[in-house]
Amino acid sequence: DAKTTQPNSMESNEEEPVHLPCNHSTISGTDYIHWYRQLPSQGPEYVIHGLTSNVNNRMASLAIAEDRKSSTLILHRATLRDAAVYYCILKFAGGTSYGKLTFGQGTILTVHP
Amino acid sequence: NAGVTQTPKFQVLKTGQSMTLQCAQDMNHEYMSWYRQDPGMGLRLIHYSVGAGITDQGEVPNGYNVSRSTTEDFPLRLLSAAPSQTSVYFCASSYSINTYEQYFGPGTRLTVT
Repeated sequence: DAKTTQPNSMESNEEEPVHLPCNHSTISGTDYIHWYRQLPSQGPEYVIHGLTSNVNNRMASLAIAEDRKSSTLILHRATLRDAAVYYCILKFAGGTSYGKLTFGQGTILTVHP
Repeated sequence: NAGVTQTPKFQVLKTGQSMTLQCAQDMNHEYMSWYRQDPGMGLRLIHYSVGAGITDQGEVPNGYNVSRSTTEDFPLRLLSAAPSQTSVYFCASSYSINTYEQYFGPGTRLTVT
């Protein structure tokens, strides 16, 4: 699987937007970009995914660079509940490998009241 | 739906003991998998299953066995526990291997002394 690079940690204030970056310069044309997050003492939770176009859902937005070498997860209004480790994961969209998620170190997001 | 459930939540074993970590889901998902998470690290795939009767190895399968006799259950067996298997174990499921969103259980924290 192609590698991703994320900052070790980021901080935000409650109710402010948060932009979590991810670099994936070796991404291939068939790799989807997935984001998961892990709240303290819980299992990971799916956040969003995309291929080329920007994506929005009830939890977040995903902005993908035109060359697909980087992406940004956007939390529009951070809450204390958003404090978690955020993982950016590339997944090959095909074959039997698709179900396997390769987790890196992720970004620890701290949200201040 | 209860989602993905795991038992026990905590377990302490002595070196050489065997045990089974239980995982069940009530969402009729075909794809199930086991991950382990060591302190300060991302998750690593141990074994996975694309349906009842079908299992395959992931990234770190040594020392673990799995079986999938029903769609709902996917137990993970430690044959002879070692201190290196001290970790938090997560079970995950999704509708199919090609489904984007995977659902994770709350985890089992295992300590081997």
